[in-house]
This record gives sequence, structure tokens and C-alpha cells, in this order.
Amino acid sequence: GENVEQHPSTLSVQEGDSAVIKCTYSDSASNYFPWYKQELGKRPQLIIDIRSNVGEKKDQRIAVTLNKTAKHFSLHITETQPEDSAVYFCAALRRTGNQFYFGTGTSLTVIP
Amino acid sequence: GAGVSQSPRYKVAKRGQDVALRCDPISGHVSLFWYQQALGQGPEFLTYFQNEAQLDKSGLPSDRFFAERPEGSVSTLKIQRTQQEDSAVYLCASSFRTSGTSTDTQYFGPGTRLTVL
Repeated sequence: GENVEQHPSTLSVQEGDSAVIKCTYSDSASNYFPWYKQELGKRPQLIIDIRSNVGEKKDQRIAVTLNKTAKHFSLHITETQPEDSAVYFCAALRRTGNQFYFGTGTSLTVIP
Repeated sequence: GAGVSQSPRYKVAKRGQDVALRCDPISGHVSLFWYQQALGQGPEFLTYFQNEAQLDKSGLPSDRFFAERPEGSVSTLKIQRTQQEDSAVYLCASSFRTSGTSTDTQYFGPGTRLTVL
């Protein structure tokens, strides 16, 4: 099966700085990599995703990069704001699979 | 509907009791997933439905866990003879298209927090 590792587990940044969260996966058949943001007590919400035929995707202050050879992908948040504080999860899905494999999460704190 | 809904939002059960957790997916969504999320961890897959068919139940931790989606819409996750280790948030997610043939966004419900005493 797939194994997704996520680092760091906690991250604190000053408001306005950038934050980077990294994930690695083990199954070369994985081809879809979403990132979810989960605020305390709330549902995970998709913030950005990337498919294996793309190396980078950007949406305003959020970007995701994928290195298929190295089997890792990263979330980049620029100009962080206090409302970015939450737990972020990466996930991987196999082309022929049904289940997402989630990382263990990164608790991001943006200090005003 | 506006999104995936789940009920109850919180459930406290005594060890040994049976519980039933309900998920209402977004109308028209073919695929439905159940996940278990332990405190401080990422969601872990339990089972997957395509319409009313349960196509993958490989993540169910034991035969005490049972899920159904009889009419291809609402789903129920049932846990029999609950144990303390069953305490977790149970998340339901739905997606529009058939998973496995295309990578489609999963929309999550708010979860049911189950506490087994």
C-alpha cells in the first residue's frame, strides 16, 4: 500500500513570512495529491491539488510542487496571515485506487 | 444540499454499546467514503461506496464495523460492541464521479466525534 510521510509536524512562522510543508509518498502509481486545511473542530477543506502530469500549481498565495522522480510534493504558503493557522494534511491517491492516504498533518501557527 | 452533513456531531457511548453514525452526501455524488481520524492524526480510510455498492472495505478495523448505503445516497456506519480504542472522529466524504477512473475532489462532512467510556 501507499505510505505518506509529512514534515514538519508543527510549524510557527511570523505573519508575512512563507511556510513550506513537505510530503513524501512511496507508491509510484499515485497520481493525485490534494492538500486539505482543517481548523480545530471543523471538516477538512481542500485548498489545492496537483495531478502527476503537472509539476507545479499556484492559486494566489498557495502553491504546490510535485517531484515524481523523488516522490515528494510540497505546499508553499506565501505572505502568511493569522487565518492561515490550522492543521494541513497532504494526501495521495493511486490511479486505480479508491482511498486517499493522508499524512499525519502539520499544525501551522502564524504569529501576528 | 449545501454540503456533506453528518449526525450526530457528538456521541458518547459506554463500552459495549452499539452506535450508528449517519452521513448525508452532497446530492448526486456517486462516491462516498468513510474515514477514521484519531486525535492528532490524519484521516484513515475505512470504506468506499459507489452508489449503493460497497466496493472497498479494506480499512474497516474489525468485523464490529459495518457500513451501508442501501439507496445510494445516505450512508450509515455502525459500530457494534464499542471499545475505547474506537474513540475518534468519523469523517464522511463524497465525490461526484466514480473514484478509480478519475481523480475527483472529495468533500468532507464535519465529522462525528465518538467517545467510548
